[in-house]
Amino acid sequence: DIQMTQSPSSLSASVGDRVTITCQASQDISNYLNWYQQKPGKAPKLLIYDASNLETGVPSRFSGSGSGTDFTFTISSLQPEDIATYYCQQYDNLPSYTFGQGTKLEIK
Amino acid sequence: QVTLRESGPALVKPTQTLTLTCTFSGFSLSTSGMCVSWVRQPPGKALEWLALIDWDDDKYYSTSLKTRLTISKDTSKNQVVLTMTNMDPVDTATYYCARIGYYYDSSGSKHYYFDYWGQGTLVTVSS
Repeated sequence: DIQMTQSPSSLSASVGDRVTITCQASQDISNYLNWYQQKPGKAPKLLIYDASNLETGVPSRFSGSGSGTDFTFTISSLQPEDIATYYCQQYDNLPSYTFGQGTKLEIK
Repeated sequence: QVTLRESGPALVKPTQTLTLTCTFSGFSLSTSGMCVSWVRQPPGKALEWLALIDWDDDKYYSTSLKTRLTISKDTSKNQVVLTMTNMDPVDTATYYCARIGYYYDSSGSKHYYFDYWGQGTLVTVSS
């Protein structure tokens, strides 16, 4: 199975900061990588699909990049409502879907 | 408008079998390409994919849990059912059902994502 390693596992930043989360796959997954936001007590929400495509309705301060094994998720200017846990998810070796262990983002 | 809702027992005893139902609307699982999946999340931990069923009644399971899982669908009722046998306290989690959306790119490759989720149902395993 493909393993997904996210870092950091937690992150504290100030409003307006640029925030970056990385996700590394244990093998080449091309761009078959999605990013989700999960707020406490809520279901995950799709933000980015195929590494860099912004889901409709998602603010443009969110972005993603990467291919192969190394991926990056960025919030260009952190807002209070962005407090959540973020997960990457691969779908290269279908039908198995693997999530990263998550990055918990807090306001400093 | 696509919605999904999970239902099932909040508490099960160790060794019992868990049965969860996902009732959905806004799409049909008889439409070519459609898939519904189950994902779980232990308290404070990460998401874990469990199983998937598609419009053609093909079924796929997590490698680590496949011996304990069964997924089925009732297209007429817009429901997907997941059963998990031999429940253990480590199976305590919020269980989500989610639709798997897809699109084809310009080269004809198919791309997937979990586009709609239920609100989740917390299942506690305890005697």
